[in-house]
Amino acid sequence: RKEVEQDPGPFNVPEGATVAFNCTYSNSASQSFFWYRQDCRKEPKLLMSVYSSGNEDGRFTAQLNRASQYISLLIRDSKLSDSATYLCVVNAQYNNNDMRFGAGTRLTVKP
Amino acid sequence: NAGVTQTPKFQVLKTGQSMTLQCAQDMNHEYMSWYRQDPGMGLRLIHYSVGAGITDQGEVPNGYNVSRSTTEDFPLRLLSAAPSQTSVYFCASSNAGTGTQYFGPGTRLLVL
Repeated sequence: RKEVEQDPGPFNVPEGATVAFNCTYSNSASQSFFWYRQDCRKEPKLLMSVYSSGNEDGRFTAQLNRASQYISLLIRDSKLSDSATYLCVVNAQYNNNDMRFGAGTRLTVKP
Repeated sequence: NAGVTQTPKFQVLKTGQSMTLQCAQDMNHEYMSWYRQDPGMGLRLIHYSVGAGITDQGEVPNGYNVSRSTTEDFPLRLLSAAPSQTSVYFCASSNAGTGTQYFGPGTRLLVL
């Protein structure tokens, strides 16, 4: 079983749609959680950290459910520029030295 | 402020050749890491360093060596390239404790 699992998609949605991605992780000791965004043939870039109480950044909302060991990302009012692969990232050790990445969920937003 | 830089951008090797992938950062970050990214696998940690002179293995260290003689540089050495090492390699750096990583643009490696 992979340590971090994501639905690979692809998700194809129209502009303005709301889309949600889920991610599950296997290490119950994990303490740090992130969503990264990766454009085609580019490096990953941090989208947002995920906090226990949930957090929002503009059109993006991240949630953490420790009991079920899953993380979610909600994108509202999708833009064409949101088209990318979204990577779920979880630390494997308490001190953030060892980060484990999901394989990513691909999103395409269409006009 | 260049962030994280990697060289070369592309490389073709023959099986058995050795080479070094270069990584440098100018943000004075303590942590640096090397990942490889393969289709359907996500990024996998090869080696990481928590400071100059300190390195440790990640998920997939076999066939790779690293060293960290300065805070800025973290080269990755392929000792004897194999076709299974064909991949995209990313270097990343972060401040201690934050978990937020800054990635370089990547090196695409093809081993024939």
